[in-house]
Amino acid sequence: QVQLVQSGAEVKKPGASVKVSCKASGYNFGSDEIIWVRQVPGQGPEWMGWISAYNGKIHYGQTFQGRVTLTTDTSTSTAYMEVTSLRSDDTAVYFCARSHPGYGAYDYWGQGTLVTVSS
Amino acid sequence: QSALTQPASVSGSPGQSITISCTGTNSDIGAYNYVSWYQQHAGKAPKLIIYAVTNRPSGVSNRFSASKSGNTASLTISGLQTEDEADYYCGSYTSSNTVVFGGGTKLTVL
Repeated sequence: QVQLVQSGAEVKKPGASVKVSCKASGYNFGSDEIIWVRQVPGQGPEWMGWISAYNGKIHYGQTFQGRVTLTTDTSTSTAYMEVTSLRSDDTAVYFCARSHPGYGAYDYWGQGTLVTVSS
Repeated sequence: QSALTQPASVSGSPGQSITISCTGTNSDIGAYNYVSWYQQHAGKAPKLIIYAVTNRPSGVSNRFSASKSGNTASLTISGLQTEDEADYYCGSYTSSNTVVFGGGTKLTVL
């Protein structure tokens, strides 16, 4: 069965960086894009960007352009999301999801990774 | 890109039907038939319940249905059950090749 398993919770200081992983299994990792979403508790999700493991194409949401880097490692079927220059308002749960079966449709999700930014 | 607009809360009794609206613009909902709906229980990841405006993924109850008219999409849940109590989010593909989500609607089953 399809599974996306994310790395554990992180606590970071303002100005630091964080890198969250998302290991996929149960399907051909290269056949679908992986997207990342940020969700502050009590608020709606914010779409961060997508990456294609097939051809390496990436597209970022405007809010996250410049501070977020998406990568993949096809040898381990793992996607990564790195945020630099962390601020307190980056405190949120970060999710990865598989983009399938169409635009804006995400059928399998990771369990979420809580990133807390605090001095 | 501004978030799609959803009512903050809706409620209904078991067995009743409710509808949640989701309003966007000519650059997202009005431009594409790529509206999705997600159900999220507290502390869990979102679950896809509708994609491409009206389609249900395999395994999703046919009590969930959806539609779109102009810049507004709607999700209807019929035969409300207690397990339907959750947050619901709409999402739409946009002309910027991104996706925008709504702020969420909390469904209470009384």
